[in-house]
Amino acid sequence: KAGVTQTPRYLIKTRGQQVTLSCSPISGHRSVSWYQQTPGQGLQFLFEYFSETQRNKGNFPGRFSGRQFSNSRSEMNVSTLELGDSALYLCASRGGGPTDTQYFGPGTRLTVL
Amino acid sequence: GESVGLHLPTLSVQEGDNSIINCAYSNSASDYFIWYKQESGKGPQFIIDIRSNMDKRQGQRVTVLLNKTVKHLSLQIAATQPGDSAVYFCAEKERGRALTFGSGTRLQVQP
Repeated sequence: KAGVTQTPRYLIKTRGQQVTLSCSPISGHRSVSWYQQTPGQGLQFLFEYFSETQRNKGNFPGRFSGRQFSNSRSEMNVSTLELGDSALYLCASRGGGPTDTQYFGPGTRLTVL
Repeated sequence: GESVGLHLPTLSVQEGDNSIINCAYSNSASDYFIWYKQESGKGPQFIIDIRSNMDKRQGQRVTVLLNKTVKHLSLQIAATQPGDSAVYFCAEKERGRALTFGSGTRLQVQP
């Protein structure tokens, strides 16, 4: 089975711009979660989608949003970028049960200048 | 490669030795725990998991121990190899909630 894929792998934006990141889960997985990873804050949960519905949401401002499509692919959007949004954004997928193992993609490295 | 964490606690071991990485978790309602390994430039890679109705689980060269009384999780790696060098994260999960990750431990294997 192919793993979780994320595009693009690297992205450079300037403050005030917006960005959309894409994630394709493992085939058959219905749950997609997004995380932000920074050296200072570690891995922080952004949101989880299951069957096109947001199931959980972390403590991030409304500038961070996401969605999931009927094929389980997911996108996350960050509007009005700030310097502090520079991070590795990780997507993870799992089957959807409460203790199904979560598998991560390679991440998208976003740099905001 | 990309920096995962600039000020992580570091465990340095000799190749061939056993490694023990510890993790304290905070949520007594967590019932599922996972260890991940993250190498530079890559996403976290699943190593092993354990449910709260168990106190030990073994995989290939790895063992996870769970002590719910003191909310402590440990990962034991037998015969540590240079390829084991990475940052290791524990994660906990309460039913209905998202995974919560620990801050990570950097494992350095000296040849």
